[in-house]
Amino acid sequence: ETGVTQTPRHLVMGMTNKKSLKCEQHLGHNAMYWYKQSAKKPLELMFVYNFKEQTENNSVPSRFSPECPNSSHLFLHLHTLQPEDSALYLCASSQGADSTDTQYFGPGTRLTVL
Amino acid sequence: GENVEQHPSTLSVQEGDSAVIKCTYSDSASNYFPWYKQELGKRPQLIIDIRSNVGEKKDQRIAVTLNKTAKHFSLHITETQPEDSAVYFCAVRMDSNYQLIWGAGTKLIIKP
Repeated sequence: ETGVTQTPRHLVMGMTNKKSLKCEQHLGHNAMYWYKQSAKKPLELMFVYNFKEQTENNSVPSRFSPECPNSSHLFLHLHTLQPEDSALYLCASSQGADSTDTQYFGPGTRLTVL
Repeated sequence: GENVEQHPSTLSVQEGDSAVIKCTYSDSASNYFPWYKQELGKRPQLIIDIRSNVGEKKDQRIAVTLNKTAKHFSLHITETQPEDSAVYFCAVRMDSNYQLIWGAGTKLIIKP
């Protein structure tokens, strides 16, 4: 698959579990993003990475821990989540971190926290 | 900080008619306004964008208009077709940190 891929596509976890979401982009972009999408709410930007360096953390709880080992891969490590964290988690990438660069989204991971 | 309001939350139009979705923003320094379309079960995709030095931009059946004085911009879809059914999101680029602030989305339903 080309573009931006995410795994897993669906994840169900208990509040005491530890899991990780993975995102990979095949577009040669330098910036990567994590968003949270909840029903009938605006997309919430969580983290921004530019050239592997974190440039934005929008007051995200520490139970979400991002990792960006290189410009093509982005992870979101999850631990001790709450039911209200259930949502669609979208990864995106863009050529640069300037938001006038078109953001290309992955298909998302549908997360359910029991 | 920037606040983006999007209306309506749901819009139902007859196939062939036009649809208009409006977004208002608060920061007069904002200068970039994209629109994304998200079909059911699919990822958001950019469909059109406009910068603050332009008042209108068209791409076939879709157009975006910007009123900087009133701080609002609108998405216009003409001759709507079933494949236009989706959720449409507006966004505004913050001048302070260059990040996008998103509207809550409009679910567009095209009735046959």
